[in-house]
Amino acid sequence: QVQLVQSGAEVKKPGASVKVSCKASGYTFTSYYMHWVRQAPGQGLEWMGIINPSGGSTSYAQKFQGRVTMTRDTSTSTVYMELSSLRSEDTAVYYCARESFGMDVWGQGTTVTVSS
Amino acid sequence: SYELTQPPSVSVSPGQTARITCSGDALPKQYAYWYQQKPGQAPVLVIYKDSERPSGIPERFSGSSSGTTVTLTISGVQAEDEADYYCQSADSSGTYGGVVFGGGTKLTVL
Repeated sequence: QVQLVQSGAEVKKPGASVKVSCKASGYTFTSYYMHWVRQAPGQGLEWMGIINPSGGSTSYAQKFQGRVTMTRDTSTSTVYMELSSLRSEDTAVYYCARESFGMDVWGQGTTVTVSS
Repeated sequence: SYELTQPPSVSVSPGQTARITCSGDALPKQYAYWYQQKPGQAPVLVIYKDSERPSGIPERFSGSSSGTTVTLTISGVQAEDEADYYCQSADSSGTYGGVVFGGGTKLTVL
């Protein structure tokens, strides 16, 4: 079955970087774009950007330009999202989601806590 | 920046019809998508391309579009439908760079 499995929870200090992984299975990895979406505690969903696993091209939300990098490894069917210069406001659950007429499959989420 | 506007909350009794609206200037030109999210869980796609229902989503979920407003309708609401609902679309550029979510609507089943 189609599945996205994300890496485990992270605790980071302000100013550090975090890299979250999302491993896809059950479908052709390079045939579907992948979104990254985050959700701060008690808040709504926020779109961060998208990557084309086939060629690696990316498009980022303006808010995260210069701070986010999305990459992929086709050999392991894994996409990565790295966020740098972390601050307390980046504390959130980060999700990957496959694009197929909407975000049709979601990862389980990765909690990132930024605290000194 | 482009915004989608949803009511913060909607309340209905079991068996009634719930309607959740989402407004945005680019909605006449861009498809809308709806997601259901229950506490502690990842969102689930319930409507795509304004009014299409993914396989496995109950028929009581439907979507419609009129001008700058799209509506998610849940007919015969059940207790299990209590959740947060988010609309999602894109700005008028039509590129993936303009993906946006509405603020979310909490559906309470009385």
